[in-house]
Amino acid sequence: RKEVEQDPGPFNVPEGATVAFNCTYSNSASQSFFWYRQDCRKEPKLLMSVYSSGNEDGRFTAQLNRASQYISLLIRDSKLSDSATYLCVFNQAGTALIFGKGTTLSVSS
Amino acid sequence: DARVTQTPRHKVTEMGQEVTMRCQPILGHNTVFWYRQTMMQGLELLAYFRNRAPLDDSGMPKDRFSAEMPDATLATLKIQPSEPRDSAVYFCASGPGDRGGTGELFFGEGSRLTVL
Repeated sequence: RKEVEQDPGPFNVPEGATVAFNCTYSNSASQSFFWYRQDCRKEPKLLMSVYSSGNEDGRFTAQLNRASQYISLLIRDSKLSDSATYLCVFNQAGTALIFGKGTTLSVSS
Repeated sequence: DARVTQTPRHKVTEMGQEVTMRCQPILGHNTVFWYRQTMMQGLELLAYFRNRAPLDDSGMPKDRFSAEMPDATLATLKIQPSEPRDSAVYFCASGPGDRGGTGELFFGEGSRLTVL
């Protein structure tokens, strides 16, 4: 089983839609979880951390399910500017971040 | 505006040539990472330094790749000899954490390498 698995997509949605991505991880010792965003031909940038109790940042909601070993990202009211690749990221204490291959989102008008 | 700086941005070379990529991490960051990104494999960790000491280079082909931090302001990744399968975007990233790779990493714009 791969360390982290994401549906590569693409997810094609209209503006205003709600879209959700899941990401599963295999290492139960993983401690920290994040979503990064990468625009085409650009570097990855942190979108948000993922906390056990779930957390929200504007239109974005992240959740962690340790029992089932997955994290999720929900985007409400999608904007054209949300079009990007979303990378699931995790690590254990003292180790480097492990990145998923990403899920591509395309929001159209 | 603090940022990670990488050079060169683009490099085209022929198989067998030596390639050196350089990275200036954000001042004050004590963790530095080299990642390689391809369509097939996504972002793969090559090397990881904390306080200039190498902590993990298990993802790096040892026979041809080497990574060093001669000082706190410079990290280098060298490929010798280069092969076509090394073609990828190489990202350097730095982080402020004193505990491994937790928290936010700041990436450079990447070095796009093409080996013919």
